[in-house]
Order: sequence, then structure tokens, then C-alpha cells
Amino acid sequence: SYVLTQPPSVSVAPGQTARITCGGNNIGSKSVHWYQQKPGQAPVLVVYDDSDRPSGIPERFSGSNSGNTATLTISRVEAGDEADYYCQVWDSSSDHPGVVFGGGTKLTVL
Amino acid sequence: QVQLQESGPGLVKPSETLSLTCTVSGGSISSYYWSWIRQPAGKGLEWIGRIYTSGSTNYNPSLKSRVTMSVDTSKNQFSLKLSSVTAADTAVYYCARVPPLGDYFDYWGQGTLVTVSS
Repeated sequence: SYVLTQPPSVSVAPGQTARITCGGNNIGSKSVHWYQQKPGQAPVLVVYDDSDRPSGIPERFSGSNSGNTATLTISRVEAGDEADYYCQVWDSSSDHPGVVFGGGTKLTVL
Repeated sequence: QVQLQESGPGLVKPSETLSLTCTVSGGSISSYYWSWIRQPAGKGLEWIGRIYTSGSTNYNPSLKSRVTMSVDTSKNQFSLKLSSVTAADTAVYYCARVPPLGDYFDYWGQGTLVTVSS
């Protein structure tokens, strides 16, 4: 089955840029989606189809995807961005197509 | 604004069947895929499966033998049944919507905690 690999944690100072990676075999050929989850809350979609933003998501959130790595970039990080972030793809390559999530990355704002 | 609300027992005994319903409001349930996703405490997200309003389903292979999903368009609801539960099935269960032509989740329920314990 398809595996998505995320770093367990990323730390960044306020105002700086955070980059959260999501690794997968030839992930560049898939559409990658990103979710933000704060404690006790449901996940929220922040980037879909590699680099599109849903309505209401700040432009500070952006995404890219190429080769074996997709990246969620958060510019001018704020304290309120502290959360867990998950990448997700639809894996159609196996006999049992389905949704795959990365293990999640905890973003800490120093 | 579309809203999803999970409902069902918060406590299920081992070996029994977990049953949850997701009620969709603010929009029609028709012509969408609807999914169930779960999250054990302190852990990541696990996709359980999805159902289209026609009744077509896809399940996570690791759970497929125990999962049944159904949809009731007249009530704007869809449901999850997970049989032969163990403590490992204790988690927050979310329902979520997949938009047309997409394979991501744009609307989520608030989640409901299901504990498996005798």
C-alpha cells in the first residue's frame, strides 16, 4: 500500500516560514491535500490539489508537489498556526484504491 | 453552509457492533461521496471508507471485513457499522464530505468519541 511520510515535528519562530514535507513514491503524480487540526477540533482543509486554497484560508498557506516530495509552506507564521498538519492523497495504484493520510506533523511556534 | 453531525453510542462492548450515523444539513446528500475517518487519542487520521449516494462503496482494506456503510437519501443521512470491535477501535470518529471531482474532504463533522470497553 502507498505510504506518506511526514516529519513528526517542525518548529519555527513567529514571522518566519514553516515548511512541512510529505514524502511518497512519485507523489508528484498525485494530487496532495493538506489539513490543519487544532487540539479537540476536527481537521480543516487548508490546501487541496497540491496548491489550491479553499475560501477563507489565508494566502500565507501554500503548497507544492514534485518528484517524491510535497510541501506545505506557511509564511509569516503566527501563534494561531500551531497545530497538527496532515497530508493526504487518493491512491489508485493498488487493487484497493483508497485514501491515504500521512502520519502528521506537529507545528510548534516558538 | 453544509454541516455534518455524527451521532451514536459513545460506549460499545468488545465483540459488539459499533453503529454511527452522520446527518447532513444545509445541503443535499445526493451526488457526493461521503466518508468515515477515525483518530485514536494522540494518533493520526485513519480513513475507514466512503459511500456514494448510489450506494457504491470503497473500504480501507485493513477494516473491510468488518465495515458496512449505508446511505439514506430521504433522511440526508449516511451510516457506519463496524463489527467485532476491540479496544483498538476506540477513537474519535469523523464523517466528512468529498466534493464532486475531488478526492479530499471539504466538510467535516465535529467528531464523536467511541470507547470500546466492557
